[in-house]
Amino acid sequence: QVQLQESGPGLVKPSETLSLTCTVSGGSVSSGSYYWSWIRQPPGRGLVWIGYIYYSGSTNYNPSLKSRVTISVDTSKNQFSLRLNSVTAADTAVYYCARVQTVGYSPIDYWGQGTLVTVSS
Amino acid sequence: DIQMTQSPSSLSASVGDRVTITCRASQSISSYLNWYQHKPGKAPKLLIYAASSLQGGVPSRFSGSGSGTDFTLTISSLQPEDFATYFCQQSYSTFWAFGQGTKVEIK
Repeated sequence: QVQLQESGPGLVKPSETLSLTCTVSGGSVSSGSYYWSWIRQPPGRGLVWIGYIYYSGSTNYNPSLKSRVTISVDTSKNQFSLRLNSVTAADTAVYYCARVQTVGYSPIDYWGQGTLVTVSS
Repeated sequence: DIQMTQSPSSLSASVGDRVTITCRASQSISSYLNWYQHKPGKAPKLLIYAASSLQGGVPSRFSGSGSGTDFTLTISSLQPEDFATYFCQQSYSTFWAFGQGTKVEIK
């Protein structure tokens, strides 16, 4: 059974960098069959796609966040990570990591439970 | 960017009811539409992919239909474990977009 688990600080100060890691079990981030993605949901609002990474290291980011986002993959630890620079209160959200199929209709077939990150001083 | 509009935002229903949720895309997305169920504190779960294909292990009371811009998720007979939030997602463009969600509550 594939499982994804987010980890990282729940509180980040404004202007600092938000860093989260997603640990994958029951599957491999080195698989060419999947993209590894980050998605967030601000309080009371809808889901927003942040970006994804392929095992080769190629990435695709939401244009509205692209200047501040970096997604990386560590195949040795079977993890992938999110860094979001210069955060503000608007970045407060539940952050989800997810696995996306690269073939067919690209559904998100597995998600993490999500982790709340609050941006506040 | 493709926008996804989901309706209703919430609904109240009883066990055994037939429930229908709609999702509309701002432009044609063919059948690149997926449906998810989300319960508080849990990971969202894929129910339907490619507009009408049932994900493995998902009960057959869930079904999806539509193509182009208009899509529907139907629960044929609502069960107690189905009270949750449902949302759609388009995977037609690499800028994936989600519907705002429909919260299904107990009447």
